Amino acid sequence: GEDVEQSLFLSVREGDSSVINCTYTDSSSTYLYWYKQEPGAGLQLLTYIFSNMDMKQDQRLTVLLNKKDKHLSLRIADTQTGDSAIYFCAERSGGADGLTFGKGTHLIIQP
Amino acid sequence: DSGVTQTPKHLITATGQRVTLRCSPRSGDLSVYWYQQSLDQGLQFLIQYYNGEERAKGNILERFSAQQFPDLHSELNLSSLELGDSALYFCASSVTGSDTGELFFGEGSRLTVL
Repeated sequence: GEDVEQSLFLSVREGDSSVINCTYTDSSSTYLYWYKQEPGAGLQLLTYIFSNMDMKQDQRLTVLLNKKDKHLSLRIADTQTGDSAIYFCAERSGGADGLTFGKGTHLIIQP
Repeated sequence: DSGVTQTPKHLITATGQRVTLRCSPRSGDLSVYWYQQSLDQGLQFLIQYYNGEERAKGNILERFSAQQFPDLHSELNLSSLELGDSALYFCASSVTGSDTGELFFGEGSRLTVL
């Protein structure tokens, strides 16, 4: 079945880059997503990438997709305290409406 | 603000009881999804409705049921509650016909079963 894996915690210093990694198993994934969940809030879409792309950049965010290895990463440049949140990787399989989510990576910012 | 509204925000109840969680999707969105978020299981897909009809089913227990009404709001019914049902329940809706399949999430209903 479909599976999305990501590490549970990542700790970085303020001002450094954060790289959150994700692997997925479904080779028919069409879109891959990064969602952000701040404390006490719902999930909010940060960015997405279509499966025929290798990279997408949006201001401080860079998404890299290695389709061969089924590996997705999210790089946050110049990490700020406001970036502290849980980051979810998700994938959408061809023909399906819903998304399959990883368990989320808690990004912890050290001063 | 995603435009998806969930009520109640918090709910405390006892084992064996039944609760109903309500969701109003974004205006115009025909699809509604229910997810359960717990510490150990992460974000689990429960069920999807599209324009009043069940479209997809995930890891939803038989004690749980859902429906989508003609005005497109949805309700998730949880019965014979157990301690392990304590979780954050999210509703999401999606843009009809969107290629990207982006989901818009509500703020969730936090259920505590004592």
